Amino acid sequence: DQQVKQNSPSLSVQEGRISILNCDYTNSMFDYFLWYKKYPAEGPTFLISISSIKDKNEDGRFTVFLNKSAKHLSLHIVPSQPGDSAVYFCAASRETSGSRLTFGEGTQLTVNP
Amino acid sequence: DAGITQSPRYKITETGRQVTLMCHQTWSHSYMFWYRQDLGHGLRLIYYSAAADITDKGEVPDGYVVSRSKTENFPLTLESATRSQTSVYFCASSPSGGVRQFFGPGTRLTVL
Repeated sequence: DQQVKQNSPSLSVQEGRISILNCDYTNSMFDYFLWYKKYPAEGPTFLISISSIKDKNEDGRFTVFLNKSAKHLSLHIVPSQPGDSAVYFCAASRETSGSRLTFGEGTQLTVNP
Repeated sequence: DAGITQSPRYKITETGRQVTLMCHQTWSHSYMFWYRQDLGHGLRLIYYSAAADITDKGEVPDGYVVSRSKTENFPLTLESATRSQTSVYFCASSPSGGVRQFFGPGTRLTVL
């Protein structure tokens, strides 16, 4: 029962273009969503988050959009840089879950120079 | 040093052996978590702990044991390792009331 799904295992984009990573969830009780970035041989690091009371959150080149009716969120990276090449994990949380996160499968982003 | 650390970083063991992975955090975070990362599955929660002496099962707890006698430490033990437990294991922590988790560098475990 995969409650958080990232249907694209990989994504390749050119440097300077937009990267769009997608995430779908099934549990309507999720009320907080996060994106983590992971480089090889390192632990995941927090990137950006959004509360369910918002539909957009922006931090520099990174913007997360939330569509609650579609149970869908996306991460936009503009402009993409080679250093953005990493695995990106979407995660979701419920207020009553005690800091527990449910993660998606991850998407490998490759930004080509 | 400050942060969250895991040891060992790499471990090779044999089927049937007991293995303990260590996790240590210096932030005094209430919550600690253990995940395994496998291709196609992302990060799956094994066990978590809300405070010292309080632990609970996650999504994939079978074959694992945890303890938390001190706030800063959260060891994960594979009592009798199996090949299916070959994976990369991540420890994480978060403060009480917080959702954002902070991850350690991971332990790559190979069970032969």
